[in-house]
Amino acid sequence: DTGVSQNPRHKITKRGQNVTFRCDPISEHNRLYWYRQTLGQGPEFLTYFQNEAQLEKSRLLSDRFSAERPKGSFSTLEIQRTEQGDSAMYLCASSLETSGGSYEQYFGPGTRLTVT
Amino acid sequence: DQQVKQNSPSLSVQEGRISILNCDYTNSMFDYFLWYKKYPAEGPTFLISISSIKDKNEDGRFTVFLNKSAKHLSLHIVPSQPGDSAVYFCAAVNNYGQNFVFGPGTRLSVLP
Repeated sequence: DTGVSQNPRHKITKRGQNVTFRCDPISEHNRLYWYRQTLGQGPEFLTYFQNEAQLEKSRLLSDRFSAERPKGSFSTLEIQRTEQGDSAMYLCASSLETSGGSYEQYFGPGTRLTVT
Repeated sequence: DQQVKQNSPSLSVQEGRISILNCDYTNSMFDYFLWYKKYPAEGPTFLISISSIKDKNEDGRFTVFLNKSAKHLSLHIVPSQPGDSAVYFCAAVNNYGQNFVFGPGTRLSVLP
């Protein structure tokens, strides 16, 4: 396992369509995060899983967004009824909770979404 | 409301010199800070971190300094190399690693 992978790398969709992205974290990592990044900004936190439990959701995550992590392995992020404002890079990261409290996250390459 | 600020959008440094990237935060509940480096078309890569109980952490050419009273941290790269040219993000976290907040980034250019 060489790192976090995300698929697809690029997605172009028409406004109103639904899209789903997949993230495969580093296999032993129990934490998984989704972020959104737009041009000139840092990643913005969307949601966080500890194993299969979704423990934190940003207010940025409207009801059109849903994320799952069945069985605590890969995760999916779905956007329903896409809008042009959803165009962004969607990043996934994973980390391993340690007793020492280090929080280093390992990021995937991202999925670039373009809504036309 | 930007909780993590990187006020310099860009920085240019001569190869071999020191690069200093700055970051300010407003939330005193943050207790862990990280720096990430990002190349185009790649996700951010973890570089170095520091806990709020420390004021300095060093890893090779990279040193992070934390001034809690000023709510300020900085990343020093010595000596700077052309391969260090990238966007650098400062991030802060609280609540046992559940809520990460990233700054907008500083683009570092190391000139040969």
